Amino acid sequence: NAGVTQTPKFQVLKTGQSMTLQCAQDMNHEYMSWYRQDPGMGLRLIHYSVGAGITDQGEVPNGYNVSRSTTEDFPLRLLSAAPSQTSVYFCASRRGSNNSPLHFGNGTRLTVT
Amino acid sequence: QKEVEQDPGPLSVPEGAIVSLNCTYSNSAFQYFMWYRQYSRKGPELLMYTYSSGNKEDGRFTAQVDKSSKYISLFIRDSQPSDSATYLCAMLGPGGGADGLTFGKGTHLIIQP
Repeated sequence: NAGVTQTPKFQVLKTGQSMTLQCAQDMNHEYMSWYRQDPGMGLRLIHYSVGAGITDQGEVPNGYNVSRSTTEDFPLRLLSAAPSQTSVYFCASRRGSNNSPLHFGNGTRLTVT
Repeated sequence: QKEVEQDPGPLSVPEGAIVSLNCTYSNSAFQYFMWYRQYSRKGPELLMYTYSSGNKEDGRFTAQVDKSSKYISLFIRDSQPSDSATYLCAMLGPGGGADGLTFGKGTHLIIQP
């Protein structure tokens, strides 16, 4: 039972480069989200999706794009990486009902130089 | 006033001790309360999930919610070195972040063998 799978585990980018962080879940969860985790800042919501074709902004959406073409996948795109985007990124999913707890992947550690 | 307050620690206790981890919150509309455990370089893992005021026990772990005081606790009995991790509280309800969910910043717990 894979749960939430994130790839890659580690990535180093130069300023201005673009990349896509992949996230897939096999639990048929309607809701998926992306967080970044920085020291002293905790988890901050970037974008979330309540179902295929529907996305919305979280607390810190600037510099990131998302799309949700299938229930299983929710990729996060950095269009032009900046050093401020150096962070650990977590994807999470849950059932569609508002009171379901989140299940997290193991993260992508991104460094932008 | 921050929405969820959690002492970052580190909290260091000897093996076998009872550990108490706490969060306070200001939003009285929060309805669901969660505790996550996060090992180094891993994603948060759901430990406990509660709805109402009172206690919920699962093995060595007890979650306590006091809605009147806006205070939640996680107790760990017979603590083990494998319990060393960061513990995040999370709360769900109207007004709690873009998707209703708000996390504390985590308490770093160290269990000394």
